[in-house]
Amino acid sequence: AQKVTQAQTEISVVEKEDVTLDCVYETRDTTYYLFWYKQPPSGELVFLIRRNSFDEQNEISGRYSWNFQKSTSSFNFTITASQVVDSAVYFCALSEAKETSGSRLTFGEGTQLTVNP
Amino acid sequence: GAGVSQTPSNKVTEKGKYVELRCDPISGHTALYWYRQSLGQGPEFLIYFQGTGAADDSGLPNDRFFAVRPEGSVSTLKIQRTERGDSAVYLCASSLRSGGTGANVLTFGAGSRLTVL
Repeated sequence: AQKVTQAQTEISVVEKEDVTLDCVYETRDTTYYLFWYKQPPSGELVFLIRRNSFDEQNEISGRYSWNFQKSTSSFNFTITASQVVDSAVYFCALSEAKETSGSRLTFGEGTQLTVNP
Repeated sequence: GAGVSQTPSNKVTEKGKYVELRCDPISGHTALYWYRQSLGQGPEFLIYFQGTGAADDSGLPNDRFFAVRPEGSVSTLKIQRTERGDSAVYLCASSLRSGGTGANVLTFGAGSRLTVL
């Protein structure tokens, strides 16, 4: 069975601080995909990034960066110079590569990030 | 449409009543997913459609829950004899294709908030 753990339930920072959201996953599959989604107060989940299990290169997109470490089964997300608009719930998710399940996602419990001015 | 549309956005019903929730996916997206999100938790998978058929309905909690997608586009999630525990946000998502790789990015709707009194 797959499992995603986001140990940080809530994080509160002051604007311009850097913040890292942790994600640890469990799977027996050798091929899988990892995702991060953002859920602002409006409720709609917004896709941020996808990573496959064979690509451990870290990725940077503007103020966002992701650190994938297969050895520790972690896929952490860092926001640099946080802004108030970054306030949202962030979800890490895992997808198995099976025909019958499509892109079925297993989500973590989410981390509520609050960025204060 | 431009995004995934879900109606109604809010539904309040009484225990024991029947409820239908509708999802209109992005045009051309063949894969459609339903998830349920309880307060303070991550979304949980309910059912996945590839075209008109339910490829994976293993997430449906019991036989009171049923979903259809008769023409391979719009889907309806049906809940019979609603219980207070069914109260949650029901999220629909769609993707371009699901070739069994698990790689497809899901685009989510804003959800239907169901409250069972």
